[in-house]
Amino acid sequence: DVKVTQSSRYLVKRTGEKVFLECVQDMDHENMFWYRQDPGLGLRLIYFSYDVKMKEKGDIPEGYSVSREKKERFSLILESASTNQTSMYLCASSPYNTETQYFGPGTRLLVL
Amino acid sequence: AQSVTQLGSHVSVSEGALVLLRCNYSSSVPPYLFWYVQYPNQGLQLLLKYTSAATLVKGINGFEAEFKKSETSFHLTKPSAHMSDAAEYFCAVSGDNQGGKLIFGQGTELSVKP
Repeated sequence: DVKVTQSSRYLVKRTGEKVFLECVQDMDHENMFWYRQDPGLGLRLIYFSYDVKMKEKGDIPEGYSVSREKKERFSLILESASTNQTSMYLCASSPYNTETQYFGPGTRLLVL
Repeated sequence: AQSVTQLGSHVSVSEGALVLLRCNYSSSVPPYLFWYVQYPNQGLQLLLKYTSAATLVKGINGFEAEFKKSETSFHLTKPSAHMSDAAEYFCAVSGDNQGGKLIFGQGTELSVKP
């Protein structure tokens, strides 16, 4: 079975802090994705990556950056956390040229 | 541009009743369509997907969905709801050279009453 893990289930940070959310997948998938999930808005794509050291902006990249130094790991970085970044963050991965995505359990981030 | 609309942010059914969750999409090319389920405090789990083979797609946990091109719909159904079906359900579309990206609907929360 595909396994996507996220470093934290719950996280509380203060405004202005730099926040790192880590995602690791164990199935050698080329594609990895970061979404945020907010009530009534569904999932919105923040960034995605098709390969190591590659990154592409999604629909809402402002205030975020990403890093993919190894194929299995995709990190989401909040350079200076703000209260409007309080949300559920979901990571997903998929094989090359395949649309089926496999999701991690999510990280619920609260920014105070 | 592709988009997905889920009609009804909340649906409530009685245990044993039919479940019908609605999804309409727009796409300029034949789409791939997905239904995902999210149980409380968990990530999304794939229920089923349509990839242009059979128009009636069967998924896990007794769910199925029918692709209707003329109606641009991909509604999710289950003949008899169980309490364990209470969750949030997301419809998603891909295709149009999106390179593996999915566009998600807003989600429908399903409640099941005893």
